[in-house]
Amino acid sequence: ETGVTQTPRHLVMGMTNKKSLKCEQHLGHNAMYWYKQSAKKPLELMFVYSLEERVENNSVPSRFSPECPNSSHLFLHLHTLQPEDSALYLCASSQADRAGGYTFGSGTRLTVV
Amino acid sequence: AQSVTQLDSHVSVSEGTPVLLRCNYSSSYSPSLFWYVQHPNKGLQLLLKYTSAATLVKGINGFEAEFKKSETSFHLTKPSAHMSDAAEYFCVVRPTGGGNKLTFGTGTQLKVEL
Repeated sequence: ETGVTQTPRHLVMGMTNKKSLKCEQHLGHNAMYWYKQSAKKPLELMFVYSLEERVENNSVPSRFSPECPNSSHLFLHLHTLQPEDSALYLCASSQADRAGGYTFGSGTRLTVV
Repeated sequence: AQSVTQLDSHVSVSEGTPVLLRCNYSSSYSPSLFWYVQHPNKGLQLLLKYTSAATLVKGINGFEAEFKKSETSFHLTKPSAHMSDAAEYFCVVRPTGGGNKLTFGTGTQLKVEL
């Protein structure tokens, strides 16, 4: 375990479903991130929360909706997804404005059918 | 602006031989640099990091990397490959002083053969 826990590990959902991905960190970090990793593509930064405020939203479709209720928890709410949204969704945390790296969770493998 | 280029998308070595994964970066400021490893169906694990201290950085599992400012490189090496090293490796740059923007390379897939 890295200190960043993501649930569920695997998720299969239909295009009309609503589901949520959860991320939890116990490292005392104050910034959290959602990344999308698709096959044959570079890692894509989706959302950044720093001190519980969203500070970056990289042109992500509105069918993805993040929520950060406190500095330890991050959610990604999903609704009416498309098959091309199938990917590995990675959560990470860090101490904002420090030179250290991010700590990543193990990811949620999402398949949209 | 910052960018990172991993020069090889695939590297294949024999077990017990040295590993070299190449990374070049560009950054307007003195950067922090990282190598991450990702095993199949897993998240990214930090191997090592350079944050303006010693230029030769030692990481986990026998890996090390040398920051060469004159060559804008941060190549990852290991003297002797093990089968368990087979994975994808990402070179990452972050501006000095932190900030929330990591820039990832496109990854190098390392294959280790018997």
